[in-house]
Amino acid sequence: QVQLQESGPGVVKPSETLSLTCSISSASIGTYYWTWVRQSPGKGLEWIGYIYYRGSTNYNPSLKSRVTISMDTSKKLFTLNLSSVTAADTAVYYCATTNPGFGDSSDYWGQGALVTVSS
Amino acid sequence: DIQMTQSPSSLSASVGDRVIITCRASQNINRHLNWYQQSPGKAPKLLIYAASNLQGGVPSRFSGSGSGTDFILTISSLRPDDFATYFCQQSFTTPHTFGQGTNLEI
Repeated sequence: QVQLQESGPGVVKPSETLSLTCSISSASIGTYYWTWVRQSPGKGLEWIGYIYYRGSTNYNPSLKSRVTISMDTSKKLFTLNLSSVTAADTAVYYCATTNPGFGDSSDYWGQGALVTVSS
Repeated sequence: DIQMTQSPSSLSASVGDRVIITCRASQNINRHLNWYQQSPGKAPKLLIYAASNLQGGVPSRFSGSGSGTDFILTISSLRPDDFATYFCQQSFTTPHTFGQGTNLEI
């Protein structure tokens, strides 16, 4: 059973960079695209992007100029960096799998990490 | 981006009821449509992928159908733990956009 766990600061100051890490357990790294999704009351679920273990990435165009997703396969973790944050980036951030064998659906999710942008 | 529109936005029902939630895509997505259930304070849970395939461990009272632009999630007989929010998601092309959600209330 794949397990994902987000970690990182719960509060980030405006204009700074939000950084979250997702630790992966019990998964074959090459099976999935490693994905970030966020959820805020105003916007529902928003797909941020994903990374494949070989390093290729795919980002939501609405965030592309501010987002970087990276991966450390040796440590079995992947990271989200979102720069120049504003209050609109306040959300629960989920890491998840995207499974090409299951129609590119997200079959495993972390529990979510609430990040508040506030000075 | 492909826009996903769910209806209704909220729905009141009772235990034992049959419930239908619809999802419409702004363009043809073939059968690249997934359904998720989210309970308060929890992560979304995959119910159905590729329009009609039941994820492992999901009860058979959940079913999905549709193709192209119009899709349906059916819950045949509601149980107490089915009262949650349901989201559709298209995975035809990135960004993999979600519907706004349907809040299923008792």
